[in-house]
Amino acid sequence: AQSVTQLDSQVPVFEEAPVELRCNYSSSVSVYLFWYVQYPNQGLQLLLKYLSGSTLVESINGFEAEFNKSQTSFHLRKPSVHISDTAEYFCAVARRTGNQFYFGTGTSLTVIP
Amino acid sequence: NAGVTQTPKFQVLKTGQSMTLQCAQDMNHNSMYWYRQDPGMGLRLIYYSASEGTTDKGEVPNGYNVSRLNKREFSLRLESAAPSQTSVYFCASSEPLSGERQPQHFGDGTRLSIL
Repeated sequence: AQSVTQLDSQVPVFEEAPVELRCNYSSSVSVYLFWYVQYPNQGLQLLLKYLSGSTLVESINGFEAEFNKSQTSFHLRKPSVHISDTAEYFCAVARRTGNQFYFGTGTSLTVIP
Repeated sequence: NAGVTQTPKFQVLKTGQSMTLQCAQDMNHNSMYWYRQDPGMGLRLIYYSASEGTTDKGEVPNGYNVSRLNKREFSLRLESAAPSQTSVYFCASSEPLSGERQPQHFGDGTRLSIL
């Protein structure tokens, strides 16, 4: 089975400051990688995904993540956060074969005015 | 475009009662999933259905049953609810079955309390 580790359960950051949310996974096979965001009382929404090609992927709202195969990481970054970025963020992994997705335990990002 | 629809949104049960959580997707996806979300534990897979007519156990299947009624619908049943099943339940779907994996689409969740 895969495992996904999000080391930081809570990350407070001031508005307009940069942020990095860390995600590491364990896998001996090729994987697909995802970041999801969950706002209060809502389901998970896809933020960005790595399927193949460029190891740096970007979302429409300024987040980016870089796939690092040697370090088995997929950290999420944003150079300048907004109040509206306050949410729970989940990293997920799926093997290239099979049907299951594996989720980390989530990181709660709180942006402080 | 509704995406993934879950009903009900909220439910309170007494220990020992049974109920079925409903999920329907209108994206013609083959794969559907049921997760539970608990504080500090992220999402844990209960059951999934790779395609119509098939179901498989996930990480935490005990106390639950599922039915893939057709391609659109995937229900989760609690036969005898226990307080440990108090949680937020999410249904998700994804496509394709093989080839480049696409992300999952989630419903808004069912918040279930067992007293």
